[in-house]
Order: sequence, then structure tokens, then C-alpha cells
Amino acid sequence: GQQVMQIPQYQHVQEGEDFTTYCNSSTTLSNIQWYKQRPGGHPVFLIQLVKSGEVKKQKRLTFQFGEAKKNSSLHITATQTTDVGTYFCAGLNNQGGKLIFGQGTELSVKP
Amino acid sequence: DGGITQSPKYLFRKEGQNVTLSCEQNLNHDAMYWYRQDPGQGLRLIYYSQIVNDFQKGDIAEGYSVSREKKESFPLTVTSAQKNPTAFYLCASSIGAGKRMAFFGQGTRLTVV
Repeated sequence: GQQVMQIPQYQHVQEGEDFTTYCNSSTTLSNIQWYKQRPGGHPVFLIQLVKSGEVKKQKRLTFQFGEAKKNSSLHITATQTTDVGTYFCAGLNNQGGKLIFGQGTELSVKP
Repeated sequence: DGGITQSPKYLFRKEGQNVTLSCEQNLNHDAMYWYRQDPGQGLRLIYYSQIVNDFQKGDIAEGYSVSREKKESFPLTVTSAQKNPTAFYLCASSIGAGKRMAFFGQGTRLTVV
């Protein structure tokens, strides 16, 4: 079945350093979504990418969708302690309906 | 306020008992999902429903059952056939199945003893 792989599983950074998480799908995706889950909380939607090669920015966060619509990345510039949490990508396959999540990348930021 | 509500937040059950987790949304969303979250494994799809009276199995449906008799409600039953039911269960809903952002409930942490 469709798989969405996300790396790395954990990332520890010093405050101010950059952070990137990568997402790869075994199949072409209709769209890719990114979510953030704070410790003890539930996933909260960040953004959705739909077009091949699309790049979107939210302040210090940059999201990219690959040309083949099979991979995506989230880059955070100059991390802050408020960025702590687990970041998930989620892909919708071309058959529709199934929103499959990656394993997540847990980010910790040392002040 | 519009939103998606899961209850209870914490649930304890004895091994061998069936248990039903509640998920209600007042967002008028067509699609609803159940995910299971275990440490280091992300969110795994149990069941999803794109419309009332219809639902499909996700990747780990064995030992679980659902119903979608009303648009607002998508309860999940964890049966005694589920080998390792202790987990954090998350319900979500979206306007169109996967096409728009999913709103998540607060989750139910189920512990089977």
C-alpha cells in the first residue's frame, strides 16, 4: 500500500540553528499537508501544497513540494524554543480519500 | 464554537472488553478519520469515512469497527480482537476527504490493563 516516509525521526538543535524534515511517498500524491503536534497535544494543520514544485512560506517556515509530487520538505530558519514539537507530513493519494501520515520528526530546541 | 470533540480523554478498560470511543464534529464535514498514535510510529490510519453510511478500512483496521450513521458522529469500537489496544487515538474531520485541512480532536488515551 501507499507509504509516506519521513526523516529524520528526531532532531535536536541549538536555538538559532536551522531545521529540515523530509517526506517521501511511494506513490504520486494529489497534495501534501503538514501538521505540528506539540508535546501532549493533537496535530494542528500548518499548510497544504497542491502544485508540482510549489513553495510556500510562513514566516520562518518554508514548505516545498517536489516536481514529481512524491516528496516534500519543511525547513525552519533560526529555530526558537516555540518550534518544539513533532512535525508530520500527510499525503493524499490520487485515488482520493486516504490521508496517510508520515512517522513524524520530533524537534527539540536547546535554548 | 465549531470543532471536533473526542471523549473521554482518558479511558481504562480490562483486557477482553470491547470499548467505544466517541467522536463528534459540528463543522459539517463530510470526511472523518480515526488514527492510532504510538511512540515513534506517527499516525496510522484505522478507518475513514467520506460520507454518511459509508466507511473504508485504513492500514490497521483489524480489531476495530466503526459506524457512520450520522454526519456528525464517527464512533470507534476497539474490540477484544485487537492484540495491543493501548494507544493514543485521534479522530479527525475534513471538508472533502483529504482535500482540505483536517481538524483533529483532543484525542483519547486508552489503557488496557
